[in-house]
Amino acid sequence: DQQVKQNSPSLSVQEGRISILNCDYTNSMFDYFLWYKKYPAEGPTFLISISSIKDKNEDGRFTVFLNKSAKHLSLHIVPSQPGDSAVYFCAASGMRNDMRFGAGTRLTVKP
Amino acid sequence: DGGITQSPKYLFRKEGQNVTLSCEQNLNHDAMYWYRQDPGQGLRLIYYSQIVNDFQKGDIAEGYSVSREKKESFPLTVTSAQKNPTAFYLCASSTLATNYGYTFGSGTRLTVV
Repeated sequence: DQQVKQNSPSLSVQEGRISILNCDYTNSMFDYFLWYKKYPAEGPTFLISISSIKDKNEDGRFTVFLNKSAKHLSLHIVPSQPGDSAVYFCAASGMRNDMRFGAGTRLTVKP
Repeated sequence: DGGITQSPKYLFRKEGQNVTLSCEQNLNHDAMYWYRQDPGQGLRLIYYSQIVNDFQKGDIAEGYSVSREKKESFPLTVTSAQKNPTAFYLCASSTLATNYGYTFGSGTRLTVV
């Protein structure tokens, strides 16, 4: 049973435009949410996170929004760059820090 | 340089054989984790350990075993009981604080031949 869902397997945007990646979760006990970026044959690298007590966290071009009532979070990348092309995983953890991941969204940023 | 090392990068196993994947970290992290990645399914948690000599099953522990005899090491054994062992395996470590992400290794691709 998937507790974290990313329903869009892929997303393609033009360089300079906004990329919006979405994620839904089912477990209301999750209290920390993270986004990871992954290239083929490598481990994911941490990108940005948000605590359940916040609704927005920003780091440079990356912003994560959390809507607890809808159990939904999103990652905004503005402006998108070709180097952002990768697979993005949404993840969520509870008190034991045993993280659950979504299936990933492959982002392609076209020059 | 601190980091987490998985070896080997590629591993081939004959059906019916057990195989052990290595994971070592020098980050002084208390917690370590094993995930499996299959196409279209993201990362699924196999086992995790938050302290030496203790570990918990994740969502897909059947057919796998682990040990945590040292803080730095968390090897994963894929047993012959695992029905579909061919996958990309990722090891990760973290502090016990929930507000920090994991540090991942570069993964081991296991293929059953």
